[in-house]
Amino acid sequence: DQQVKQNSPSLSVQEGRISILNCDYTNSMFDYFLWYKKYPAEGPTFLISISSIKDKNEDGRFTVFLNKSAKHLSLHIVPSQPGDSAVYFCAASANSGAGSYQLTFGKGTKLSVIP
Amino acid sequence: SQTIHQWPATLVQPVGSPLSLECTVEGTSNPNLYWYRQAAGRGLQLLFYSVGIGQISSEVPQNLSASRPQDRQFILSSKKLLLSDSGFYLCAWSASVGYTFGSGTRLTVV
Repeated sequence: DQQVKQNSPSLSVQEGRISILNCDYTNSMFDYFLWYKKYPAEGPTFLISISSIKDKNEDGRFTVFLNKSAKHLSLHIVPSQPGDSAVYFCAASANSGAGSYQLTFGKGTKLSVIP
Repeated sequence: SQTIHQWPATLVQPVGSPLSLECTVEGTSNPNLYWYRQAAGRGLQLLFYSVGIGQISSEVPQNLSASRPQDRQFILSSKKLLLSDSGFYLCAWSASVGYTFGSGTRLTVV
């Protein structure tokens, strides 16, 4: 049972255009959502996050939108740059009460920005 | 500042051999520690997490084990590797929501 789903394994976008990466979740207890970026042979790095009390969070070229009723979030990158080419993981967290702050990850979307 | 070290970066091991991957964190106390594996087409799969010394929770039954002998040390082990253990292993730490990942270990079992 996959609680965080990234249904697009890959996405190609022209440089300068907008990249939209989507993520759906099923667990209504998730209250915090994060996006991680991963280059080959490296560990993922934190990109941007959003709390369930918000519907939008912006950081430079990156904006995350959250639609709680649809259990859907998206990451917008605009304008896209070749250096954005990486695998993007959506992650969600629920307060487990055990102090572990576990994240549940999607399978990732490989973004390729074409110069 | 906090840093996380994971080694080795790459490892090629024969089937049936033992495994020991080590992860250490600096600059923080009592972190939550995690081992994840990224296998082809499987995304990031949580293997073990620990909220304190000697406290290990396993998420996926397998022939791997984890130990936390010190507050900032997390070890992933196996007595006998299987071909299916190949993958990219990531250690991470957190003090609240959100992880900081190590640089990963690419394990190839041959």
